[in-house]
Amino acid sequence: AQSVTQLGSHVSVSEGALVLLRCNYSSSVPPYLFWYVQYPNQGLQLLLKYTSAATLVKGINGFEAEFKKSETSFHLTKPSAHMSDAAEYFCAVISSGSARQLTFGSGTQLTVLP
Amino acid sequence: NAGVMQNPRHLVRRRGQEARLRCSPMKGHSHVYWYRQLPEEGLKFMVYLQKENIIDESGMPKERFSAEFPKEGPSILRIQQVVRGDSAAYFCASSPVLAGGTDTQYFGPGTRLTVL
Repeated sequence: AQSVTQLGSHVSVSEGALVLLRCNYSSSVPPYLFWYVQYPNQGLQLLLKYTSAATLVKGINGFEAEFKKSETSFHLTKPSAHMSDAAEYFCAVISSGSARQLTFGSGTQLTVLP
Repeated sequence: NAGVMQNPRHLVRRRGQEARLRCSPMKGHSHVYWYRQLPEEGLKFMVYLQKENIIDESGMPKERFSAEFPKEGPSILRIQQVVRGDSAAYFCASSPVLAGGTDTQYFGPGTRLTVL
C-alpha cells in the first residue's frame, strides 16, 4: 500500500520569500515521487519527479525537491516566490513494481502575497 | 507534439442522462489513465487502460461507470444514469512505456462534469 500526506492545505508566502511545501510518503517498496502543479481550471503539469537517480531533483520554474528516505519526505522548495507561482500543488507516488496508478496527496494551495 | 486532448471541456447533464468523456493520448503513448477530482479533494485513480485492454479498474465505481480504449480512436469514460455526486473534474493522463515502470503521466486539461 502507498499513500502521500501533504501538510498544510493552504500556504501563504510573500513575493520573494522561500516556498516550502511539505510531502511525506508511505510505501512498502522504493517509491517514485512526483510533484504536479494545477492552475485554476486547468490540468496538472509535471514540476519534477524522483526515480532514484539523485536525491535532489531540480524541476521547472525554479522548483526543486529533496528525497529523504530516513524522513520519508519529498518536500518541494523554491528560493524566491513569484506571483505566477500561485496555484495548487500535488505530491504523488507510484510504488515501483507493476502498479502504475498515481496516488495523490490532498493538495496544497499556494498563495503569493505582493 | 500535441498534448493530451480531452473533450468536451465542460459537460452539463441532468440526473439520469449519460455522460461520455473522451481522451486522446499524446502521440506515441499507449497507456491511458483516468482520474476523478471531486470538489475540494485531490485526484483519485479510476482506471488504467492499454489499447483494447483494461489493465486495472480498481478505482472505478462498481455500477454505472465504464471505460474503453479501442484500437482506433480516443479512450472513452462513460457514466450512465448520472447523479449529482458524479459532478467532478475528470482527468485523463497518458504515458509511454519505459523500463522499470517510471513512466511519467502527462495530464489533459480535464472535463468538468456538472449534473443538474
